[in-house]
Amino acid sequence: GQNIDQPTEMTATEGAIVQINCTYQTSGFNGLFWYQQHAGEAPTFLSYNVLDGLEEKGRFSSFLSRSKGYSYLLLKELQMKDSASYLCAVRDLTSGTYKYIFGTGTRLKVLA
Amino acid sequence: EAGVAQSPRYKIIEKRQSVAFWCNPISGHATLYWYQQILGQGPKLLIQFQNNGVVDDSQLPKDRFSAERLKGVDSTLKIQPAKLEDSAVYLCASSHQGANTEAFFGQGTRLTVV
Repeated sequence: GQNIDQPTEMTATEGAIVQINCTYQTSGFNGLFWYQQHAGEAPTFLSYNVLDGLEEKGRFSSFLSRSKGYSYLLLKELQMKDSASYLCAVRDLTSGTYKYIFGTGTRLKVLA
Repeated sequence: EAGVAQSPRYKIIEKRQSVAFWCNPISGHATLYWYQQILGQGPKLLIQFQNNGVVDDSQLPKDRFSAERLKGVDSTLKIQPAKLEDSAVYLCASSHQGANTEAFFGQGTRLTVV
């Protein structure tokens, strides 16, 4: 089966660093995606990992370990606007079709 | 490039009524997804189209939900009759069928069933 776990809520202070973890189980792993979703808005793409290691994109970085079924999203120099839900999604390739399976999301609150 | 368009943005209906949502994906995207997102949860895939064919509808409550993508472009999702537990945001997304690509989401339709 498929299963994605991430913490429900996290709180951090403006200017700090926060790491949001995600563990997954899937039979046809074909990449891991992180999306940001502000309240009442659509998810927007942040990062993508298909090979092990760290991908850095400005203040955001994402890490993947396929052998451990583990990823994290690292947010540096937190800003108030980073308060949002962060969705971990696994792309599964089964029967020649890509599917995106989402976790429940981690609601991040950034405090002044 | 234009994003994924959805309408309406908001809809309030009474239980047992019917409702339809519309989605226009990004031009050239062969794959179209409908997700249901209940408050405080992640998006749950309802149905996935590849061009005008269904590739996955395993989580679609087929007794009340239906969807179509007749010409392989626009899509409609219908609920008939609606239940209170159908209150959610219905997100449409589209993507290329390629390895190095992501899914792009529309703004969603917030449905409230009273």
